[in-house]
Amino acid sequence: DVKVTQSSRYLVKRTGEKVFLECVQDMDHENMFWYRQDPGLGLRLIYFSYDVKMKEKGDIPEGYSVSREKKERFSLILESASTNQTSMYLCASTTWDRSTDTQYFGPGTRLTVL
Amino acid sequence: KQEVTQIPAALSVPEGENLVLNCSFTDSAIYNLQWFRQDPGKGLTSLLLIQSSQREQTSGRLNASLDKSSGRSTLYIAASQPGDSATYLCARRSSRGSTLGRLYFGRGTQLTVWP
Repeated sequence: DVKVTQSSRYLVKRTGEKVFLECVQDMDHENMFWYRQDPGLGLRLIYFSYDVKMKEKGDIPEGYSVSREKKERFSLILESASTNQTSMYLCASTTWDRSTDTQYFGPGTRLTVL
Repeated sequence: KQEVTQIPAALSVPEGENLVLNCSFTDSAIYNLQWFRQDPGKGLTSLLLIQSSQREQTSGRLNASLDKSSGRSTLYIAASQPGDSATYLCARRSSRGSTLGRLYFGRGTQLTVWP
């Protein structure tokens, strides 16, 4: 089974702190994604990556950055956390192989910024 | 705009009913269409994936269909059970060059099945 793991289930940070959210997948997937999910707004794409060292902006990249130094790991960085970044963050990965190209999600990180 | 719409937003039914969840999309440049389930506070679990060349997929009591020409997909749940209670999301994977590989999600249908 594909496993996508996220470093924390729950995280509480203070305004202005630098926050790192880590995501690791074990299926050698090329593509990795970071979403945030908010009530009434659904899932919104923050950043994605099609390969190591590559990154693409999604729909709401402001206030975030990412890092993909290794194929299995995709990190989301909040440079200076703000209260409006309180949300559920979901990481996902997928491959281009049509026989297995469903998108697999991690369990999510519920981030609260005080 | 890569819009995906799900109707209804919420559904409450008694156990045993057969039900249909609807998903429509405006962009026909589709690589595949996926249905996911999300339990409260959890991540998404893939239920069914329909490739652009396919018309439907089945898994147990679930059947999903895809009609690219009309921009619609339906998820059919047979003989619903309380354990089916969750939010169901559909997502269109884009085949356009500029957005290749991205998923565009609907906002989901929140399903409650009561005993």
